[in-house]
Amino acid sequence: QLQLQESGPGLVKPSETLSLSCTVSGDSIDTSSYYWGWVRQPPGKGLEWIGDVFYTGTTSYNPSLKSRVTIFVDTSKSQFSLKLTSVTAADTAMYYCARRRSFFYYMDVWGKGTPVTVSS
Amino acid sequence: QSALTQPVSVSGSPGQSITISCAGIRSDVGSYNLVSWYQQHPGKVPKLIIYEGIKRPPGVSSRFSGSKSGNTASLTISGLQAEDEADYYCSSYAGDSTLVFGGGTKMTVL
Repeated sequence: QLQLQESGPGLVKPSETLSLSCTVSGDSIDTSSYYWGWVRQPPGKGLEWIGDVFYTGTTSYNPSLKSRVTIFVDTSKSQFSLKLTSVTAADTAMYYCARRRSFFYYMDVWGKGTPVTVSS
Repeated sequence: QSALTQPVSVSGSPGQSITISCAGIRSDVGSYNLVSWYQQHPGKVPKLIIYEGIKRPPGVSSRFSGSKSGNTASLTISGLQAEDEADYYCSSYAGDSTLVFGGGTKMTVL
C-alpha cells in the first residue's frame, strides 16, 4: 500500500528557505501514471496547490508561488522535495505531499502532513 | 489564477440532501471535466471523494455525487449523516499544467 511521509524542519526563520522532503514507500516513484506534489493549508484556512514533479524532473508550479518554489525528485531515494525561498509568516501552514494522477489532476494519496511555522 | 468560488458554509438535517457549488471560469471548470472534490474532517488529511467530475474512488459512499453545468461544478450529498460533517474542497485543472482549489465549504449536520 502506497504511503507518503513528509519530513523537514518545523520552524523556519523569516527570509530563509523552507525545505521539505516526501518519502514514497509501497510503490515506485518512477511511474508514468502519476506526478508527485505539494499542497499547503495555513491554520484555519483552505488548501493551496504549490506544485508537482514528474519522475523525469518535469515540474509545474502555482503561478503565485512560482518565483520562490522549486520541486525536485530523487528516484534513487524514492523521494521528492520542496524548497520555498524568502519565507514570511504567510508561509506558515500544514504542508502535505500527495500523489497526483497524470492527465486527470486529482490527488488520491496524501501524506499525513507536516506543520511549518515561520518565526524568528 | 483565481481560487474557485464555494459557499463558506452549508447545512442540512440528517437524511436530507445538500449541494455544494464550485464556480470557476471558462478556462478551468468550464473547459475540462477535471473537477475533483475532497472531504476534510477537523485535524485530518483531505480525502478524495469525487474525481473527473462524477467518478467515485473505491470505498466512497454512493451518497456522494458530482455534476457540472457550464462553469460551475457541484457536489451533492444525499441522506446526510452525522459523519458527513466536514470541510469540502473542490479543485480543477486550470490550464498550463496547473491546478486550483476552491476556498472550501464547511458543511454542518443540524
